Amino acid sequence: SQKIEQNSEALNIQEGKTATLTCNYTNYSPAYLQWYRQDPGRGPVFLLLIRENEKEKRKERLKVTFDTTLKQSLFHITASQPADSATYLCAPNTGTASKLTFGTGTRLQVTL
Amino acid sequence: GAVVSQHPSRVICKSGTSVKIECRSLDFQATTMFWYRQFPKQSLMLMATSNEGSKATYEQGVEKDKFLINHASLTLSTLTVTSAHPEDSSFYICSASPTGERYGYTFGSGTRLTVV
Repeated sequence: SQKIEQNSEALNIQEGKTATLTCNYTNYSPAYLQWYRQDPGRGPVFLLLIRENEKEKRKERLKVTFDTTLKQSLFHITASQPADSATYLCAPNTGTASKLTFGTGTRLQVTL
Repeated sequence: GAVVSQHPSRVICKSGTSVKIECRSLDFQATTMFWYRQFPKQSLMLMATSNEGSKATYEQGVEKDKFLINHASLTLSTLTVTSAHPEDSSFYICSASPTGERYGYTFGSGTRLTVV
């Protein structure tokens, strides 16, 4: 069955460092992969989308990589700030259906 | 940008009663909307796909008679939790995409349902 795995353990890093979150998937051949941010008690907010033919995508302090051989996406936040503290969700999508399925999410805590 | 409005944000109801949650796309038309449920410290679980003018498509294990979905217009989908029980207490979130799944989805702010 299809599976999307993110590190369920919280990631604690110091302000100014780079946070790296991992998304692994199995039994999927996604055409693209999306990353979202979710704050407690709120709906997810779209951050970035990367296509299968793209190795890397950047947006301000965010960077996403997509390795279809390893079946993995990495999400980086550079120069992290306490305001970046949230849960980050990945969502690989095959493109053949419009529904979006999410990974388990990784909670990021950035401390001063 | 695209906005999805969801109401109510919080609702408390008694066991056995029904609760309706509304999801509206404010500045775009959505032929398809999605309903998710999220339990504490868990990820979002897709419940159903709401299709304008036709029946909703439910995910495996989701009772369609308990979670009634109506998508009567291009900007409104509703989820009714019928005969609610304490185990239905959860965070319900809707979403839609103004430009298709390849450009990100917009989510509502969610509804916290507590059944007492």
